[in-house]
Amino acid sequence: NAGVIQTPRHKVTGKGQEATLWCEPISGHSAVFWYRQTIVQGLEFLTYFRNQAPIDDSGMPKERFSAQMPNQSHSTLKIQSTQPQDSAVYLCASSFRQGENTLYFGAGTRLSVL
Amino acid sequence: GDSVTQTEGPVTVSESESLIINCTYSATSIAYPNLFWYVRYPGEGLQLLLKVITAGQKGSSRGFEATYNKETTSFHLQKASVQESDSAVYYCALGDRTGNTGKLIFGLGTTLQVQP
Repeated sequence: NAGVIQTPRHKVTGKGQEATLWCEPISGHSAVFWYRQTIVQGLEFLTYFRNQAPIDDSGMPKERFSAQMPNQSHSTLKIQSTQPQDSAVYLCASSFRQGENTLYFGAGTRLSVL
Repeated sequence: GDSVTQTEGPVTVSESESLIINCTYSATSIAYPNLFWYVRYPGEGLQLLLKVITAGQKGSSRGFEATYNKETTSFHLQKASVQESDSAVYYCALGDRTGNTGKLIFGLGTTLQVQP
């Protein structure tokens, strides 16, 4: 089991460009979560899918951020018109099922917006 | 609101010494809090160290222990004798047993440095 795979590991974008981050959850896990980590705010929940359906996006910024899960093997987080304050480590996690608290995290994607 | 506060790091201890990392939580909107310690070892991803879902219970893993104390709203992490390999960043987290169980509230993390 390769664990949760996130690509790319590092991404550098210019202000105003688009960034797409990819996540491949552990095979057989039905729940996928996105978190963002910054030094100031720490780890913050962004959004959650269960069986590919969006369930809770209460942590997503209302503008410029979107997430999708087109199939059970991958999810994407897209940030349009990136801004310097979007610079962070974006973490994807999966869990076996709803009600299973244990999250398995990927290594993260470090996004740097210049 | 809901929040987690933990010992501000870095915490430096010598090998074989005891360790305690404090964690307190506020769960005003969570009816059934669950408590977790996650750890990030150098060069690795965030991983679960231990969890406790019932107040009054103790969780343990890799020599670490933490007791879910509802009265003091605390979940302190302890180890009797640390090893150099325990050097890592430790995160206390709060979750809900119901609803979105993967929506965790994390503390800011405590960096532990164990000196040989």
